[in-house]
Amino acid sequence: SQKIEQNSEALNIQEGKTATLTCNYTNYSPAYLQWYRQDPGRGPVFLLLIRENEKEKRKERLKVTFDTTLKQSLFHITASQPADSATYLCALEGYGGSQGNLIFGKGTKLSVKP
Amino acid sequence: GAVVSQHPSRVICKSGTSVKIECRSLDFQATTMFWYRQFPKQSLMLMATSNEGSKATYEQGVEKDKFLINHASLTLSTLTVTSAHPEDSSFYICSAKAAGTAAEKLFFGSGTQLSVL
Repeated sequence: SQKIEQNSEALNIQEGKTATLTCNYTNYSPAYLQWYRQDPGRGPVFLLLIRENEKEKRKERLKVTFDTTLKQSLFHITASQPADSATYLCALEGYGGSQGNLIFGKGTKLSVKP
Repeated sequence: GAVVSQHPSRVICKSGTSVKIECRSLDFQATTMFWYRQFPKQSLMLMATSNEGSKATYEQGVEKDKFLINHASLTLSTLTVTSAHPEDSSFYICSAKAAGTAAEKLFFGSGTQLSVL
């Protein structure tokens, strides 16, 4: 079965620096991969989706890369701010994902210090 | 953007009682809704997939008689935890897929924290 690993459980950085979060998967290459933000006691909020034929996707201060050879996605937040502090989840389509079910990593808790 | 409303946000109940959680798509029709469970510092685990008007499909290890799912309309799905026990205490989250959209377009509710005493 597909496994997702987000290597860092927690990441602490200084305001203004670039945060880089890693997501690795172990089995089949998904057609797409997504990143979500989750605040404590809240549901995930969609941030970015990148497809298997895309190397990179950007949205404002966010950048996602997708390397199907390495089976890895990197999620970057540039010019980080304390408000970016949250848990970031990597997700990809589950088996039989045509219905839209996702499987999630455990997340990386990002703390941006002022 | 599309909004999914989940209610209640928090519930505390006694062991043995049943709890119903509602998930509504407010501004779109959701042909498919998903129910996830999340334990502290763990990933969201898919419990079941429900399609409007048909029986839900449960993931392996999830008891269908304990976690009753009803998706009677295109805007409402409910999850009922029957005879709840302390080990059912968790954060439950629903998500919905809009009709006619690609599989990856999911919108999540804000979650329900269930505490069983």
